[in-house]
Amino acid sequence: GNSVTQMEGPVTLSEEAFLTINCTYTATGYPSLFWYVQYPGEGLQLLLKATKADDKGSNKGFEATYRKETTSFHLEKGSVQVSDSAVYFCALRTQGGSEKLVFGKGTKLTVNP
Amino acid sequence: GAVVSQHPSWVICKSGTSVKIECRSLDFQATTMFWYRQFPKQSLMLMATSNEGSKATYEQGVEKDKFLINHASLTLSTLTVTSAHPEDSSFYICSAREARAGTEAFFGQGTRLTVV
Repeated sequence: GNSVTQMEGPVTLSEEAFLTINCTYTATGYPSLFWYVQYPGEGLQLLLKATKADDKGSNKGFEATYRKETTSFHLEKGSVQVSDSAVYFCALRTQGGSEKLVFGKGTKLTVNP
Repeated sequence: GAVVSQHPSWVICKSGTSVKIECRSLDFQATTMFWYRQFPKQSLMLMATSNEGSKATYEQGVEKDKFLINHASLTLSTLTVTSAHPEDSSFYICSAREARAGTEAFFGQGTRLTVV
C-alpha cells in the first residue's frame, strides 16, 4: 500500500540554522509529493509540491526534490526563522482514482531566537 | 489561496450526545470534501470522502452510522458524531477541492472535540 515515513520530532533549532526534515515514501505508480505546514491553531497549508521525478518544489525559502531512485522528498531550508515554528507534514497523492492524500505523522519544528 | 472554514474550532460534549461539525468553502465550489481525524502525535487519518449530492465513501474501519457525513451543497459539508464517547475525542479536519482534475485541496483549521 501507499505510505509516507518522515523523521520523528520534535526538532529544535536556533534561528538561522539549516533545516532538513527527511521524508520517504512507498507507492505504486508515480505519486505527486507534497509538504504541508500547520501553524499553531491553524489548518494545514500547502507549502510546496512536486509532481514528477527530479522536480523541485520551493516556497518561502523551503525546498524539496522528488527523488525517485531513493523514494524521498526531504524538506530543506537554509536559514530558519522563529516564524517557521510549526508542524510539517509530508504527503503523497497517487495518480487517478480518488486522489486521496496519504500523510506522514508530522514533524514539529521549534525555532528559538 | 482558497479559504475553507471549519466550525466550531473546539467543542466539549457529554457522552451519548451528538455533535455536528461544519466545513464550508468560502470562495469556491467544493465538489469533493474530505474528513480526517488526527490523534495526538499521529498522522491525519482519512475517514471519508464526500461528493456533493451523493453518499460519502468511508474508509475501511470507519463506522458510517457513527460518523454521519452530509454534503448537500457545493459549499457545505457536515460531520455529525453520533452518540459520542470519550474515545471519539480527537482533532477533526476537513478539506475541500474543486472539480477540476489536479487541483489542490484546501484545509479547514480543524475542530478539537472533547467528549466527557
